[in-house]
Amino acid sequence: GIQVEQSPPDLILQEGANSTLRCNFSDSVNNLQWFHQNPWGQLINLFYIPSGTKQNGRLSATTVATERYSLLYISSSQTTDSGVYFCAVDLGPARQLTFGSGTQLTVLP
Amino acid sequence: KAGVTQTPRYLIKTRGQQVTLSCSPISGHRSVSWYQQTPGQGLQFLFEYFSETQRNKGNFPGRFSGRQFSNSRSEMNVSTLELGDSALYLCASSLSLTDQYFGPGTRLLVL
Repeated sequence: GIQVEQSPPDLILQEGANSTLRCNFSDSVNNLQWFHQNPWGQLINLFYIPSGTKQNGRLSATTVATERYSLLYISSSQTTDSGVYFCAVDLGPARQLTFGSGTQLTVLP
Repeated sequence: KAGVTQTPRYLIKTRGQQVTLSCSPISGHRSVSWYQQTPGQGLQFLFEYFSETQRNKGNFPGRFSGRQFSNSRSEMNVSTLELGDSALYLCASSLSLTDQYFGPGTRLLVL
C-alpha cells in the first residue's frame, strides 16, 4: 500500500517563530489533506490540496504531486497552534485515507 | 451547516462484550468512513460506505462491521471486544470526490 512519511516527528518552537512540516508519499494520489488534531482528539481540516498552493491566514500549504511531497507552513506561531499535524492521502475513488504518523508541534509562550 | 456528529462520546466496556457506535454525516454527504486511532498503530482506515454499500474495507478482523442507512447515518459494531480495541474511533463524511470532514470521535475503553 501507499506509504506516507512525515517529518519532523516532533517540533518545539517559541511563540512567533515560523515552521515547515513535510509529508512524503510513495505513489500518485487523488487526494491530500492536512489536519490538525486538537487535545480532545478532533481532527480539524486545514487544507485539501492534491496539488498546488493554498493559503489560509498564517497557514499555507504546497503540494508538488510530480515529486510526491507536500509542505505545510506555519508562520508567526501561537500557543494555540500546538497539537499534532497529520498529512493524509488517498488513491481514490473510494475514500480511504492513509495517514502519516504526524508531527507533534509544541509552541512555547 | 451542522458538522459530523458521533455518539456516544465515551464508552467503557469489558472484554467479550460488543459495542455499537453511531455517526451522522454532514447533510448531503453520502460517503461515511470509519477510522481507528491508537497510540501504537496511529490512524487506520476501517471501512467506507457510500449509498448504503460498503465500498472499501481496511485490514481489520471480521469482528469489526458496519452499515449505512438510507439517510446516510452509519453505525459500526465491534463484537467480542478485546483489550486492544481500546481506541478513539473517528467517523468522517465527504461528498463524492472531495475532502473528508471528521467528527469528534468516540473514545472506547475496554477493561
